[in-house]
Amino acid sequence: EAGVTQFPSHSVIEKGQTVTLRCDPISGHDNLYWYRRVMGKEIKFLLHFVKESKQDESGMPNNRFLAERTGGTYSTLKVQPAELEDSGVYFCASSRRLGGDWNEQFFGPGTRLTVL
Amino acid sequence: GENVEQHPSTLSVQEGDSAVIKCTYSDSASNYFPWYKQELGKRPQLIIDIRSNVGEKKDQRIAVTLNKTAKHFSLHITETQPEDSAVYFCAEGKPIFGQGTTLQVKP
Repeated sequence: EAGVTQFPSHSVIEKGQTVTLRCDPISGHDNLYWYRRVMGKEIKFLLHFVKESKQDESGMPNNRFLAERTGGTYSTLKVQPAELEDSGVYFCASSRRLGGDWNEQFFGPGTRLTVL
Repeated sequence: GENVEQHPSTLSVQEGDSAVIKCTYSDSASNYFPWYKQELGKRPQLIIDIRSNVGEKKDQRIAVTLNKTAKHFSLHITETQPEDSAVYFCAEGKPIFGQGTTLQVKP
């Protein structure tokens, strides 16, 4: 099966600009997650979709970040306006969640965002 | 809040030696503990996971142990090989990740 894909792989923008990241999960995976990893630090949870609904967005840093998953397929994460501290690698992951249990998450290759 | 502490942050071993990475967690309701490996420039991938109804799980050279009373779990890699070199992350639940351990296996 095709894996999780993300676009773009790299993005370099200036402070104050807008960037939109896209994630296509594995087909049939209802659960979709966004994470961010700043160099040398942990993989930080941002939010979790179940189909098109936001199940948990407790990790979203502030209202400059907006995630959507219209139709319950692909998801976008928009940062507007971008700040220097938003730089990092943004990972998307998807999973099947069976019977309410957590399960293996399949990660995308990540989008490396650099804000200058 | 939920928190996962992971140690050590870096670990260097000789090829053939064992490596152990330890994690502690705070949420006593947690029941799922995965370990992910991220090679340089690649995506994190699950290498092993354990649920709270067992204390140990093994898959070839990799094993994970879980102590629910003490709220800690560990990854054990035996007979390490250079290709084991990577960053390893423990996690629990949704998941909340540990800070990562950079493992270097010297040939």
